[in-house]
Amino acid sequence: DTAVSQTPKYLVTQMGNDKSIKCEQNLGHDTMYWYKQDSKKFLKIMFSYNNKELIINETVPNRFSPKSPDKAHLNLHINSLELGDSAVYFCASSQDTGPPEQYFGPGTRLTVT
Amino acid sequence: ELKVEQNPLFLSMQEGKNYTIYCDYSTTSDRLYWYRQDPGKSLESLFVLLSNGAVKQEGRLMASLDTKARLSTLHITAAVHDLSATYFCAVDPSNYGGSQGNLIFGKGTKLSVKP
Repeated sequence: DTAVSQTPKYLVTQMGNDKSIKCEQNLGHDTMYWYKQDSKKFLKIMFSYNNKELIINETVPNRFSPKSPDKAHLNLHINSLELGDSAVYFCASSQDTGPPEQYFGPGTRLTVT
Repeated sequence: ELKVEQNPLFLSMQEGKNYTIYCDYSTTSDRLYWYRQDPGKSLESLFVLLSNGAVKQEGRLMASLDTKARLSTLHITAAVHDLSATYFCAVDPSNYGGSQGNLIFGKGTKLSVKP
């Protein structure tokens, strides 16, 4: 059984479009995250979210917005896509209690043309 | 700004050899994580280090944490080809006023083990 899943696995789109990436976790975790991994493999936190608060990395453009319909899902919406948004996006989750060991999804490779 | 530095960034080694990857970070933290990433794949949690002096071992890999020196090491013993991957350390900045869980990652060490 997949613990953290993401769809789609690959996403190719044109500049200016709006797209969404979905994330679901079946681990019963309280907190979910989105990370961006660029072409140099550098990983950067974008958001963390639980039912209490959304924490946004200040460097993330406001074209990016997380939406959580329920505790098991955290979707990533991206408006007005730009070439520089091309990257692999990883979703992760962790429990609130205890050290936040994070479990990562398989990633979504976004290519903006 | 919290910085996490890994070195080396690239490591080519022969099977059977030993080597250490270093992870330095710029502020106090007692929570450090090591992850492995195979090409085109997700991140796999290897070790969670939660206190000064913590040492954990799994197979040919051993990780340690020195919070006073702000340094973690990942030691590879008698490397085998299957260990070829990129290894990331990540620091939890929560006792630097950061948010718990919003990990700051190093740039990764790409390890290639050759026969």
